[in-house]
Amino acid sequence: AQKITQTQPGMFVQEKEAVTLDCTYDTSDPSYGLFWYKQPSSGEMIFLIYQGSYDQQNATEGRYSLNFQKARKSANLVISASQLGDSAMYFCAMSSNNNDMRFGAGTRLTVKP
Amino acid sequence: DTGVSQNPRHKITKRGQNVTFRCDPISEHNRLYWYRQTLGQGPEFLTYFQNEAQLEKSRLLSDRFSAERPKGSFSTLEIQRTEQGDSAMYLCASSLSGSWADIQYFGAGTRLSVL
Repeated sequence: AQKITQTQPGMFVQEKEAVTLDCTYDTSDPSYGLFWYKQPSSGEMIFLIYQGSYDQQNATEGRYSLNFQKARKSANLVISASQLGDSAMYFCAMSSNNNDMRFGAGTRLTVKP
Repeated sequence: DTGVSQNPRHKITKRGQNVTFRCDPISEHNRLYWYRQTLGQGPEFLTYFQNEAQLEKSRLLSDRFSAERPKGSFSTLEIQRTEQGDSAMYLCASSLSGSWADIQYFGAGTRLSVL
């Protein structure tokens, strides 16, 4: 069975600094995708970044990068140059051949001015 | 706005009443998903459609829940005889195809409160 674990219920970061949000996963499927979503207080889940299990390079999207370590089954999100608007819940998710996307419990990020 | 649209945004109902939510996916997307999210948790999968066919249902989807996507476009999720435990955010998402690599795009959700 698939499982996503986010061990940090809450994180704080100073504005303009970088922060890493942890995510580990467990699956027996050889083909899978890893996703990060941001959920502000308004409720909408906003897609941030995607990493495929066969991708050789770590994904990057602007200030977001994904530190993918396949052997350790981790897919940590790195946000560089944090902004006040980055304060939100962040969810790691995984999808595989059964198409049932599983989410972690989330990490609440607070950016301090 | 060409994103996923959900209506209503908020619904307050009394226990025992029926409620129906609507989701309009991104127009060219074939897949449509429903999730439930309770406070402090990540979204949990409920069901998904490939065009008009409902292909999978979670064990979370009790007999009181029914979802339809009659013309392969918008979808409705109905909860009959609501219970207080049904109080949650109900999220809809859509994707272009069914690949595990497909990005799911979410709506803003419908927050249900059962009194």
